Amino acid sequence: KAGVTQTPRYLIKTRGQQVTLSCSPISGHRSVSWYQQTPGQGLQFLFEYFSETQRNKGNFPGRFSGRQFSNSRSEMNVSTLELGDSALYLCASSFRRGVDEQFFGPGTRLTVL
Amino acid sequence: AQKVTQAQTEISVVEKEDVTLDCVYETRDTTYYLFWYKQPPSGELVFLIRRNSFDEQNEISGRYSWNFQKSTSSFNFTITASQVVDSAVYFCALSSGNNDMRFGAGTRLTVKP
Repeated sequence: KAGVTQTPRYLIKTRGQQVTLSCSPISGHRSVSWYQQTPGQGLQFLFEYFSETQRNKGNFPGRFSGRQFSNSRSEMNVSTLELGDSALYLCASSFRRGVDEQFFGPGTRLTVL
Repeated sequence: AQKVTQAQTEISVVEKEDVTLDCVYETRDTTYYLFWYKQPPSGELVFLIRRNSFDEQNEISGRYSWNFQKSTSSFNFTITASQVVDSAVYFCALSSGNNDMRFGAGTRLTVKP
């Protein structure tokens, strides 16, 4: 089985721009979660999707949004980028939400200049 | 509220030493799941173990062992005869019900030759 894939792996943007990150979960997994990882803040939960519905949302501003498609693939979008948005964005998928382990993708490293 | 505390920010040991990584959790749910993940320098989080709240049996996998104690709300991880390849950041996580998976801040383990 292929693992969780994320594209792109690296992104460089400037302040004010917007960005879309993509995540393809493991086949059969319907739960997809997104995390932001920075050196100072550790792993911060962004949101979780299951069956195309957002089930949980972390404490992030409305500039951060996401969606999930019928094939369970997910995207997250960050609008009006700020320098502080520079981070590693990790996507994880699981079979049963809240029960099973999550499998993580390699992440997208976003740099905002 | 759910919370995971990894009080040890960084640990440094010499190869072949045993090392224990502490994890203390808080939850009001009676059914919950605990996890450990490893994040090597390459960045991708690797799933290590999942335990449910009804199974307090300790688990051993090679040089790795886990001690789950509900009485002290702890789920500690021990590496026996550590090796340089064990150098990584280790995360403990908690999941239950409709809550998002909650991660601890992580413990950075450095194993010196």
